[in-house]
Amino acid sequence: SAVISQKPSRDICQRGTSLTIQCQVDSQVTMMFWYRQQPGQSLTLIATANQGSEATYESGFVIDKFPISRPNLTFSTLTVSNMSPEDSSIYLCSVEETHNSPLHFGNGTRLTVT
Amino acid sequence: QKEVEQNSGPLSVPEGAIASLNCTYSDRGSQSFFWYRQYSGKSPELIMSIYSNGDKEDGRFTAQLNKASQYVSLLIRDSQPSDSATYLCAVNKGGSQGNLIFGKGTKLSVKP
Repeated sequence: SAVISQKPSRDICQRGTSLTIQCQVDSQVTMMFWYRQQPGQSLTLIATANQGSEATYESGFVIDKFPISRPNLTFSTLTVSNMSPEDSSIYLCSVEETHNSPLHFGNGTRLTVT
Repeated sequence: QKEVEQNSGPLSVPEGAIASLNCTYSDRGSQSFFWYRQYSGKSPELIMSIYSNGDKEDGRFTAQLNKASQYVSLLIRDSQPSDSATYLCAVNKGGSQGNLIFGKGTKLSVKP
C-alpha cells in the first residue's frame, strides 16, 4: 500500500498561533482525508481534501479554523489556526488509494497547545 | 446521529485463547465495515474489511457481519501478546470509503 508521510510528527505550540501539517503520499491516490483523535477519544473526520478545489468539511469543522489544501494527487496540508488548548490532539492524514479501497493512515501529528 | 458502539474494555485473554470483539452501529443503510488495530502511540492499521453478511477469514482473524442485527464482530484466534492493542470498529457513512464513523475502541490485553 501507499506510504503516507506526515510532517511534523509532533509539535508544541502556543495558543493563538497556527500550525500547518503536511501529508505526502508516494503515489497518486484517489481521495485524501484529515481525521482528528482527541485524547482518549476515537477518530473524527474533519474534512475531505479535494484536489484542486475547496475541502468538504464535516459538521462542527469550518474552513477558517482548519484550512486545507490539496494541490495535486499526492500532497495535502491541514492548518490548525488560532490554536487553543482544546486543539491538542493527534491529527491524521488518510488516503483511499483507489476508488472504494479501504482507508489507510499516516503516522499522525501529535499537537500540544499550551 | 449515526453512531458506532464498542465495549471499551479492557478485554483480557490468556495467550492462545480466542479474543472476541464486538461492535454495533445505528445506521441501517451502512454498507462497509472495517476493523483497525491501534497500538499505543501509533496510528490505526487496517486489519479487516467486510461488506456482506457472514464471516470473512484472514489468517487468525475472522470478521463477522450481521446487517439485520446491525452487528459486527472480530475474532482473533490463538491470541498473542503482540495482539495487545486497541481495536477500532469503523462504519462507512456513505459516499467514499474514507468517510467513516469510528467507535471508541476496545482495548485488548493478551496475557502470556
